[in-house]
Amino acid sequence: EPEVTQTPSHQVTQMGQEVILRCVPISNHLYFYWYRQILGQKVEFLVSFYNNEISEKSEIFDDQFSVERPDGSNFTLKIRSTKLEDSAMYFCASTPVGAGDTIYFGEGSWLTVV
Amino acid sequence: QKEVEQNSGPLSVPEGAIASLNCTYSDRGSQSFFWYRQYSGKSPELIMSIYSNGDKEDGRFTAQLNKASQYVSLLIRDSQPSDSATYLCAVGFGSQNFVFGPGTRLSVLP
Repeated sequence: EPEVTQTPSHQVTQMGQEVILRCVPISNHLYFYWYRQILGQKVEFLVSFYNNEISEKSEIFDDQFSVERPDGSNFTLKIRSTKLEDSAMYFCASTPVGAGDTIYFGEGSWLTVV
Repeated sequence: QKEVEQNSGPLSVPEGAIASLNCTYSDRGSQSFFWYRQYSGKSPELIMSIYSNGDKEDGRFTAQLNKASQYVSLLIRDSQPSDSATYLCAVGFGSQNFVFGPGTRLSVLP
C-alpha cells in the first residue's frame, strides 16, 4: 500500500540552527500538508500546499518556516533559526483531492531543539 | 476560528464493553469528518471517515454524524486492550485544511 515517507525520523539540533524535514507524499496525491504535535498536545495544522504553492497556512507558520517542492517527489519543511519551542513531532500528510478526502500521514519526524 | 472539541479523558472501559467517544465542531460549513487513532509516539492512523448525517459502520466501529447539532461520535464495540490509544477527531472545513481536536485518551481494562 502506498505511504507517505518522512526523513529523518529523529533529529536533534542546537538552538539557532536551520533544519530541513523531508517528505515523499503518495505519488498520485495533489495536496500536501505539514502538521505539528508538541509532546502531549494536539495535532496542529501548519501549512497546505497545492499546485506548487501554499494554499493555506496557520498563524504558527510564520517567516521562520518555509516549504518547497524541489522536484516531482519531495516536499520539504525548512525551519530557520530553531527555538526550543520548535521541539515537536512534525507530520507530513497528503490527500488525493483536498479537505473532502482522507488525509494520509507519514510516520513523523521528531525534532528536538537543545 | 475553527474549533474542534473533545473530552480529553481518560475514558476507561472494561474489555468487551462499548466505548463512546464524542466530538463537536464550530463551523456549520464543515463537510468531512474523520476519526483517527494515535498510539503514543506514533502518527495518526485513519479509522473511519463520514460525510453525511447518520451512522456508518465498519467492523467494530460506528461513526455517527449529526450536522444540525455539529456533533460526531465514534462507538467501539467489544473494546479490546489493543484499542487503548488516543482518538482524534478531525474536521475538513471546506478549504484545504483539516483541524484536529485535542483527542480523547481511551483505556480498555482487561
